Amino acid sequence: SQQGEEDPQALSIQEGENATMNCSYKTSINNLQWYRQNSGRGLVHLILIRSNEREKHSGRLRVTLDTSKKSSSLLITASRAADTASYFCAPEGAQKLVFGQGTRLTINP
Amino acid sequence: KAGVTQTPRYLIKTRGQQVTLSCSPISGHRSVSWYQQTPGQGLQFLFEYFSETQRNKGNFPGRFSGRQFSNSRSEMNVSTLELGDSALYLCASSLEAGGFSYNSPLHFGNGTRLTVT
Repeated sequence: SQQGEEDPQALSIQEGENATMNCSYKTSINNLQWYRQNSGRGLVHLILIRSNEREKHSGRLRVTLDTSKKSSSLLITASRAADTASYFCAPEGAQKLVFGQGTRLTINP
Repeated sequence: KAGVTQTPRYLIKTRGQQVTLSCSPISGHRSVSWYQQTPGQGLQFLFEYFSETQRNKGNFPGRFSGRQFSNSRSEMNVSTLELGDSALYLCASSLEAGGFSYNSPLHFGNGTRLTVT
């Protein structure tokens, strides 16, 4: 299966702290994408990292990819209340993206 | 550009009825994918259409069907509704099939919340 599995399932931190979420997958991929979903809304694409890249930054987001371990991590620095959401990884394989259960991130004021 | 538009936003139906959901993709996007999201099962892939052809299909019963029109707009239909079909149905569009593109990942609508009573 191409599905990513996020860990932890839930994460609660204080505003200003950093949040790290992990994703593991089982088969070879071409790239891996991270998405965010606010409650009751659609998913929003955050960042895409290619299989030949090891690290990528976008604003307060930092994504790493280790293809040898079949894992990725998403780091959100200096968290804000607005970062409260569910985060999904989607390994991109043959023809379709398959999403995991996501990590539910809560930022406490 | 306008985003992905899904209508209606909310829908309440009775068991046994059928329902049709609509999705208008971002202009120029030819691929439309549908997902079902429930608290218990998470985000599950239903099917994907690209240039009016179904390219991929998830593991759902035949009661779930879809189609795509020449203008890339898509509809999904669920017949003989069951209580378990209550979910948020999300549509996503991309330039390429399956979001398989370095330049065009999936763009999601805000979904249709279907409640079956």
